Amino acid sequence: EDQVTQSPEALRLQEGESSSLNCSYTVSGLRGLFWYRQDPGKGPEFLFTLYSAGEEKEKERLKATLTKKESFLHITAPKPEDSATYLCAGALTDSWGKLQFGAGTQVVVTP
Amino acid sequence: EAGVAQSPRYKIIEKRQSVAFWCNPISGHATLYWYQQILGQGPKLLIQFQNNGVVDDSQLPKDRFSAERLKGVDSTLKIQPAKLEDSAVYLCASSPQVFGQAFFGQGTRLTVV
Repeated sequence: EDQVTQSPEALRLQEGESSSLNCSYTVSGLRGLFWYRQDPGKGPEFLFTLYSAGEEKEKERLKATLTKKESFLHITAPKPEDSATYLCAGALTDSWGKLQFGAGTQVVVTP
Repeated sequence: EAGVAQSPRYKIIEKRQSVAFWCNPISGHATLYWYQQILGQGPKLLIQFQNNGVVDDSQLPKDRFSAERLKGVDSTLKIQPAKLEDSAVYLCASSPQVFGQAFFGQGTRLTVV
């Protein structure tokens, strides 16, 4: 069964304390790995798409990397405004772009 | 560019009642998705339209849920009759192409009591 698993479930960081979120996937064919940010009461907001192992993408304090079995979202020197739930999702090859989401990692950054 | 519009934002109904949600995707986006997000979980795809045709409804509880996309633009999702376990946020998303970046609306929070 295709599955996307995120860890940890929750992460509490001090401002400036860098950390990484993990997204592991067991899918028969991965067309792309997506990272989204979700704030309370809002829909997910697109961050990155990664297509092949070894690929990296950066946006401000966030950097996403992809291996053959997992992806990492690195948060460097986070600020309180980085507090959100971060969702990863796999797009399966044998689908019409259907996204299989993980449960998310809730990140809280305190001043 | 206007985003994905959804209404209503909140809805409270009693079990066995019916409810409908509306979605207006970003102009020109051929792909439209409805996702269900239960508290503490990631979104789960209910149905996907390509233009006005259904390409994936494998996880849609068809005995109570239905959806349509009119003229390949707006879409409605209906639940009839609702159950307690349908309490969730219903998210609409659209994409300019299959496997492209999906843009999400703010969602409709449904509470079934």
